[in-house]
Amino acid sequence: QVQVQESGPGLVKPSETLSLTCSVSGGSISSYYWSWIRQSPGKGLEWIGHIYYSGSTNYNPSLKSRVTISVHTSKNQLSLKLSSVTAADTAVYYCARTGIQFGNMDVWGKGTTVTVSS
Amino acid sequence: DIQMTQSPSSLSASVEDRVTITCRASQSISSYLNWYQQKPGKAPKLLIYAASSLQSGVPSRFSGSESGTDFTLTISSLQPEDFATYYCQQTYSSPWTFGQGTKVEIK
Repeated sequence: QVQVQESGPGLVKPSETLSLTCSVSGGSISSYYWSWIRQSPGKGLEWIGHIYYSGSTNYNPSLKSRVTISVHTSKNQLSLKLSSVTAADTAVYYCARTGIQFGNMDVWGKGTTVTVSS
Repeated sequence: DIQMTQSPSSLSASVEDRVTITCRASQSISSYLNWYQQKPGKAPKLLIYAASSLQSGVPSRFSGSESGTDFTLTISSLQPEDFATYYCQQTYSSPWTFGQGTKVEIK
């Protein structure tokens, strides 16, 4: 069965770029969207954006100027970069397989906690 | 952005109770509505997609329905493992948005 795992630095300094990787195992990244979602401490869920295996992307306008999502099909991985981070970007970041028709996120990683602090 | 408003924000219920959670969209979203369950320290889990389709492997006590811009998640007989926070999500238009969550607690 498909498994997803996020990885990356747990601590990022303000104004720097947050970089995370999502590794997909047990299946291909083809034929699905792949989403990044975050959850700030004690808060709800925020959709960051998604990418199709072809490379087409859709970003949340509230983050669009700072976000880049890329796909690396040969490695079965995708990546998230968020620039100019502040404390408000401290969150658990999740990667999830996402259905194309209804956007249903059916396979999630365990999430990785990123803290923005000097 | 489409606003998703869940009610109640929290509820207390007993095992075997019937529980209903409502999600109201700020505009029409057709059937582009998904429901997730999240337990503390865990990733969300998909329960219902397309408003009323049960995700594979999810117990049949969970069901979803829609009426216009109002969507309902029903747990027909609450089980101990169902105490969690539930979120709705619209994927009709970008940005996709989630409701604020409904915490189901033990009475």
